[in-house]
Amino acid sequence: EVQLLESGGGLVQPGGSLRLSCAASGFTFSTYAMSWVRQGLGKGLEWVSSIRASGDSTYYPDSVKGRFTISRDNSKNTVYLQMNSLRAEDTAVYYCAKGISVTDYWGQGTLVTVSS
Amino acid sequence: DIVMTQTPLSSPVTLGQPASISCRSSQSLVHSDGNTYLNWLQQRPGQPPRLLIYKISNRLSGVPDRFSGSGAGTDFTLKISRVEAEDVGVYYCMQGTQFPRTFGQGTKLEIK
Repeated sequence: EVQLLESGGGLVQPGGSLRLSCAASGFTFSTYAMSWVRQGLGKGLEWVSSIRASGDSTYYPDSVKGRFTISRDNSKNTVYLQMNSLRAEDTAVYYCAKGISVTDYWGQGTLVTVSS
Repeated sequence: DIVMTQTPLSSPVTLGQPASISCRSSQSLVHSDGNTYLNWLQQRPGQPPRLLIYKISNRLSGVPDRFSGSGAGTDFTLKISRVEAEDVGVYYCMQGTQFPRTFGQGTKLEIK
């Protein structure tokens, strides 16, 4: 059974940093791309980042480019999202998802709140 | 960026009746590899999104066959043949063809 477990969310002040983790199990992690998608309270879904299976290619939308960094440790079956220079508009539930063109499994999400 | 436009944004449906959601993309979703990465996700209240349909018409394992997807190019449709109470939630189309990945605004399915 595929499982994705996000952690690392919390309350952070504007301008602060946070690192999210997503621990994967139930599939051969090192052979799949991974993605992060966020959802503001009561809002729709917004893609945040993706990383290829080997980690050699990463992708971001303009809204987070230069502030967020996705990485992975295939030995730990974990994907990370380092978030710097956080803004109020980054407040959302952050979901980890398996895949890059087809996101077939999603985690339960972790809440990030950016507020003073 | 590819803009995904869903209609309707709200769909009140009677139990046992069909429902249909349309999704239109601002550009063709045909990838250079020949696939069309148009996916449909369901988000039940208080739950994370769940993939229902991928590459236009392929149901993920375990998804009831009352869900079906169709379309090509820039116009796509999700159909539910007979709505059940557990189908209540928000449905999103998503394109996985081009970066940045983009989603439709979501269609809220509710029971009349």
